[in-house]
Order: sequence, then C-alpha cells, then structure tokens
Amino acid sequence: GAGVSQSPRYKVAKRGQDVALRCDPISGHVSLFWYQQALGQGPEFLTYFQNEAQLDKSGLPSDRFFAERPEGSVSTLKIQRTQQEDSAVYLCASSLGLAGDKNIQYFGAGTRLSVL
Amino acid sequence: GENVEQHPSTLSVQEGDSAVIKCTYSDSASNYFPWYKQELGKRPQLIIDIRSNVGEKKDQRIAVTLNKTAKHFSLHITETQPEDSAVYFCAAMKKTTGTASKLTFGTGTRLQVTL
Repeated sequence: GAGVSQSPRYKVAKRGQDVALRCDPISGHVSLFWYQQALGQGPEFLTYFQNEAQLDKSGLPSDRFFAERPEGSVSTLKIQRTQQEDSAVYLCASSLGLAGDKNIQYFGAGTRLSVL
Repeated sequence: GENVEQHPSTLSVQEGDSAVIKCTYSDSASNYFPWYKQELGKRPQLIIDIRSNVGEKKDQRIAVTLNKTAKHFSLHITETQPEDSAVYFCAAMKKTTGTASKLTFGTGTRLQVTL
C-alpha cells in the first residue's frame, strides 16, 4: 500500500511568513510523529499524536510551531512568522500501534523548508 | 533524556569489504534500536532493528549487535556494494506503557563504497 506522504516536498518562505506542512500517514496507523532534520544531522523529535490526541509536544522549539491532527489521520505542522533557523527538512513518521512490531516508525520523504 | 552518540561520522570502504558503525545510548530504559538508511533527498528507510531481549540479529548482509550492559549497539554490513552508499542513522526508543514513544537519533554516518 501507499507509504507516508508529505506535501509540499519543497517550500521557500520569506522570513516572517506562515507555512503549513501536510502529512498523510499510512492508513490505519494510530501514531504520528513529526521530526526536524537540520542539514547533516539526525532527525530530532518535535511532537507526537496518538489518533487525534497530541500526547507529547516537548520537542517543539517555540510557540511559533503548532501541530494538529483533528480527525486522527492527516496532520498539519504549522510554523508562524518563520525565521531563518527554521530552515530544515521536516519529516513525518507513522506507526501502526504502540508495542512490539507495531511501534516501527515509517517515514515520509519530508518537506524541505528554506526561509530566506 | 536519551542521548545517542554515533561513530564514525564518515566511512569509506572498498567494494566487498565490511563496514561497522557503532552507537552508544545513555538511557537504560531504552529497549528498541532501529537502523535507518537515508539516501540523498529520500526518506529514512528502516533496514534492521533489534529489541533488548536479543543480543544479535542478522538479515542477509546486514547484522546488528546489542550490548545492554555497556549500552552500545553496532551495525555490520558485509560484502559491501556501491548501492550501500548512503547515510546511516542509529536510533533508540524508550519503553513506555499506553503510548508510543519517540525515536532519539544519532548524528549519522556517511558510508561511501568505492569500486
């Protein structure tokens, strides 16, 4: 079946603009994660949803970052008043459940955000 | 919180040779350790994983070993091929009850397999 899908693949924003990044998880996957990957670094956790509930947002770097998953499927990561330091690849991952093989995370190809 | 260190940052091997990448983790509550391969501009893809109830797992040319006492785990690729060239990330996940858990990643190893 289809994997995790993210759009847009590339986004260029002027400093101060708001952006919205979309993630379509694998159908039926309960858990959804957002990660930020700076150039040459490993992904870093931003936030986690279990169905529609945002259970962990400890990785969001500032209150300019906001994520939602209102119907427990598609998720949107919104960044308000973008800054140059927000430039990165934003990865979405989903997993089927909570434990055992069900906690394997499958990643999308990411959205590369460039803030000018 | 969890901290994962990964070495080396770059690794160049000749085709047919073996490659070894090592990671250490800090949180003894971590119990799941996946390895992801990421080609330029592509999604991270899971290539192998290990859980803390086993010490070694093998899948064709790829193997992972885990030493819980020392809190380190390693990826071994034998008979390397040019298509193995990519960035490899190790990660750790802490056991939780009732919720899923985030992955904490290492900083990556750029593997180059030369002809």
